[in-house]
Amino acid sequence: AQTVTQSQPEMSVQEAETVTLSCTYDTSESDYYLFWYKQPPSRQMILVIRQEAYKQQNATENRFSVNFQKAAKSFSLKISDSQLGDAAMYFCAYRGLATDKLIFGTGTRLQVFP
Amino acid sequence: NAGVTQTPKFRILKIGQSMTLQCTQDMNHNYMYWYRQDPGMGLKLIYYSVGAGITDKGEVPNGYNVSRSTTEDFPLRLELAAPSQTSVYFCASRGHLFNNEQFFGPGTRLTVL
Repeated sequence: AQTVTQSQPEMSVQEAETVTLSCTYDTSESDYYLFWYKQPPSRQMILVIRQEAYKQQNATENRFSVNFQKAAKSFSLKISDSQLGDAAMYFCAYRGLATDKLIFGTGTRLQVFP
Repeated sequence: NAGVTQTPKFRILKIGQSMTLQCTQDMNHNYMYWYRQDPGMGLKLIYYSVGAGITDKGEVPNGYNVSRSTTEDFPLRLELAAPSQTSVYFCASRGHLFNNEQFFGPGTRLTVL
C-alpha cells in the first residue's frame, strides 16, 4: 500500500525568508501524481502545486516550487519570500494511476513571523 | 459556479443518532469523494463515486453509507453515530480527465457526544 510521510509536524519562518517542507512517500507504481495542499484556519483545502511523476522538471507556481526526487521518493515544497498569508497546515498527497484515491500525509503546520 | 458545497457547516449529534451530510457540485464532475479529517491528521477516504449509480469503499467506510442518484449530489449517511465519528468531513469532486485536480468543499465539523 502507498504511504505518505511528513516528518515535520511544525515549521516556522520569518517573513520574506525561504522555507522547505519535507515529504516522502512509498509506492511500487511508476506513474503517479504528487500534490501539496494548503489548509488555512478556514479549513478550505487549496491546491498549491502538482507534480506528475513522469515529468523530470520540477513544478513551479510563483513563489512555490518542489524538489521531486523520484528515485529517493522525496517531494519537498519550497516557499520563497514567505508571507504572513502562507501560515497554514500543508499536506503532501499522492495519487497513483492505478487507483483514484488521494493519500495524505499528516501535515506540517507552518508559522510565519513578521 | 459555486463549486462544491456542503451542508451543514457544524453539527452536534448524540450517540446513536443518525444524520445525512449533504454535498453538491455544479461543475458536472463525474468523480466525487468523501473524506474525514481527524484532529492533527491528514484526510482519509471514506467513500467515492465515479458516476451516478456507482459507489465504492475507501479506506475507512465502516459506519457510513453513500448514494449517488444524480451527478450533482453525493450525500453521506451516518447511522448510529459514535464518538469515534467526531471529525471534520470533506466532500470533493473532479472532472473526468485523470490529471484533473480534486476540488474540495468547505467541510462539515461533526461532534458526537
